Amino acid sequence: QKEVEQDPGPLSVPEGAIVSLNCTYSNSAFQYFMWYRQYSRKGPELLMYTYSSGNKEDGRFTAQVDKSSKYISLFIRDSQPSDSATYLCAMSTAGGTSYGKLTFGQGTILTVHP
Amino acid sequence: KAGVTQTPRYLIKTRGQQVTLSCSPISGHRSVSWYQQTPGQGLQFLFEYFSETQRNKGNFPGRFSGRQFSNSRSEMNVSTLELGDSALYLCASSLGTGGLTEAFFGQGTRLTVV
Repeated sequence: QKEVEQDPGPLSVPEGAIVSLNCTYSNSAFQYFMWYRQYSRKGPELLMYTYSSGNKEDGRFTAQVDKSSKYISLFIRDSQPSDSATYLCAMSTAGGTSYGKLTFGQGTILTVHP
Repeated sequence: KAGVTQTPRYLIKTRGQQVTLSCSPISGHRSVSWYQQTPGQGLQFLFEYFSETQRNKGNFPGRFSGRQFSNSRSEMNVSTLELGDSALYLCASSLGTGGLTEAFFGQGTRLTVV
């Protein structure tokens, strides 16, 4: 079983919809949680970063972390065609032997159609 | 502020050859991590360097090696290339100190082994 599970989709929604992307994890030592967006043939772009349970909002994006359930989510409001990309969740433990290591989900392919 | 720069963007190599990839991190960032991205395995951690020292290593064979220079630039080397080494190689730059682990990725080097 992978440490981080992410539904690969694909997910197709109409423009303006609210999108919900999710990851579950098994390693309770994960303390830092990130969401990346990756366009085709590009490197991942950091969207959201959080290190505590609860919600964090940035524009149309809201990241939610529930450490008790080992579950994280990314919500995209008023989705746009330009949001069409692969969304990757990533996690990290704190320092020590985990330096620099992010553990990624498989990525969810999102298409927002006009 | 310049982002993470990876060179070259594309490479085609023959099985058995070796290859060197380069990564220049964001100014002020001292940590560079390397990842391999393939459709089947997703993003997998190779190793991390901080202040010219390898602090962490993933589960890859010894054919994969790296180094970091005093200006924080990093190189990754793969010797005796195999067909299965075909992938997008990404480097990520971060401060590398304290509790922050925000990592910013470059555009990647797409390696094709024929």
